[in-house]
Amino acid sequence: DAGVIQSPRHEVTEMGQEVTLRCKPISGHNSLFWYRQTMMRGLELLIYFNNNVPIDDSGMPEDRFSAKMPNASFSTLKIQPSEPRDSAVYFCASSLGRNQPQHFGDGTRLSIL
Amino acid sequence: RKEVEQDPGPFNVPEGATVAFNCTYSNSASQSFFWYRQDCRKEPKLLMSVYSSGNEDGRFTAQLNRASQYISLLIRDSKLSDSATYLCVVTGGGNNFNKFYFGSGTKLNVKP
Repeated sequence: DAGVIQSPRHEVTEMGQEVTLRCKPISGHNSLFWYRQTMMRGLELLIYFNNNVPIDDSGMPEDRFSAKMPNASFSTLKIQPSEPRDSAVYFCASSLGRNQPQHFGDGTRLSIL
Repeated sequence: RKEVEQDPGPFNVPEGATVAFNCTYSNSASQSFFWYRQDCRKEPKLLMSVYSSGNEDGRFTAQLNRASQYISLLIRDSKLSDSATYLCVVTGGGNNFNKFYFGSGTKLNVKP
């Protein structure tokens, strides 16, 4: 079975550019999560959706970050404009819902120069 | 206070050793508990869920103590391939049942 699919795997871009990260959750999962991981701050939850509706975006660092889930099989995380401090690994995860384990994608390694 | 606290380690043990990690959580309303494993430069992967009665999966045993609000993971007969960071995970209580709180991880190095 296909797991959570993220793209791109790696992204290197200059500061000020728009960055779009993409995620396809596991089919049938109705909860989707975006995380960011750095050495300094560990794994941080940015936002999560239930049934395509954003439930908690309190972890989104600034207005430069936005996330959408237009349908059950696709989500995007956008950073505009990007800054060097946004460099991190961004993970998408999905789950069947209430109290169920989350399954992670391979992540996107983002470097902002 | 952090939602989940773990000893960062590293725990350096020889092959074949038994090693135990503990994790404490602050929200008594939390309902679900998990251990994840993360290898260097990889995504976190579910190792096992933790049930109230305790549960075992091969060399791995997980325990939950709700009264003291801690979770443990015991690894017996450690293998070189067990070297990784182990993340303790607790779900939020109440309306936050879907929100995962991750510990900062405990690093394990198993040496020949």
